[in-house]
Amino acid sequence: GAVVSQHPSWVICKSGTSVKIECRSLDFQATTMFWYRQFPKQSLMLMATSNEGSKATYEQGVEKDKFLINHASLTLSTLTVTSAHPEDSSFYICSAPPGLAGLGWQETQYFGPGTRLLVL
Amino acid sequence: GENVEQHPSTLSVQEGDSAVIKCTYSDSASNYFPWYKQELGKRPQLIIDIRSNVGEKKDQRIAVTLNKTAKHFSLHITETQPEDSAVYFCAASIGRFNDYKLSFGAGTTVTVRA
Repeated sequence: GAVVSQHPSWVICKSGTSVKIECRSLDFQATTMFWYRQFPKQSLMLMATSNEGSKATYEQGVEKDKFLINHASLTLSTLTVTSAHPEDSSFYICSAPPGLAGLGWQETQYFGPGTRLLVL
Repeated sequence: GENVEQHPSTLSVQEGDSAVIKCTYSDSASNYFPWYKQELGKRPQLIIDIRSNVGEKKDQRIAVTLNKTAKHFSLHITETQPEDSAVYFCAASIGRFNDYKLSFGAGTTVTVRA
């Protein structure tokens, strides 16, 4: 139980284009999902909290107009990197806690496989 | 906000020996402490977690200890094997309980020498 998928697994795009990344909880409903960014040999940096049915909350220093988050359903959150630039190249990972789904402790975060973004 | 410090940043051990990674946190309200293992290019995988009402938890070769008074917790891996080589992250809960947010340590790269 508590499986999280992410798509695409990698993407290469030109500078100035927008990229959408999907995060899905496959066997539970997730009212909350988290989006992280991880640079090589660094830790996971929380970017934002995705809330089903309401606006995402962003961490300090993360531009909400650049990283658009939509939590359209209880199993899907999307992150859109708008007008991507080379400095946005990174490993983007989502996670979801099962909450009250009955899949272990409600606060345990299960991670998607990540999306590697390369902006040329 | 919560600040999680993790030491050491790198750890090399001989196969069969034990590995210990230590973390400290700053927010006394933190009550959930997971440990993740991340192999190169892969997702972080939960290996063990503990809540603040428990001082120690063990799962086969892996154990976690928590000292809530001192605000530190540790990961212990016994009888290390080459497949234990990975980056390990500790984390502590932040914010309100039902926020489910975590603050992560900087990570420890563990290398098990055969």
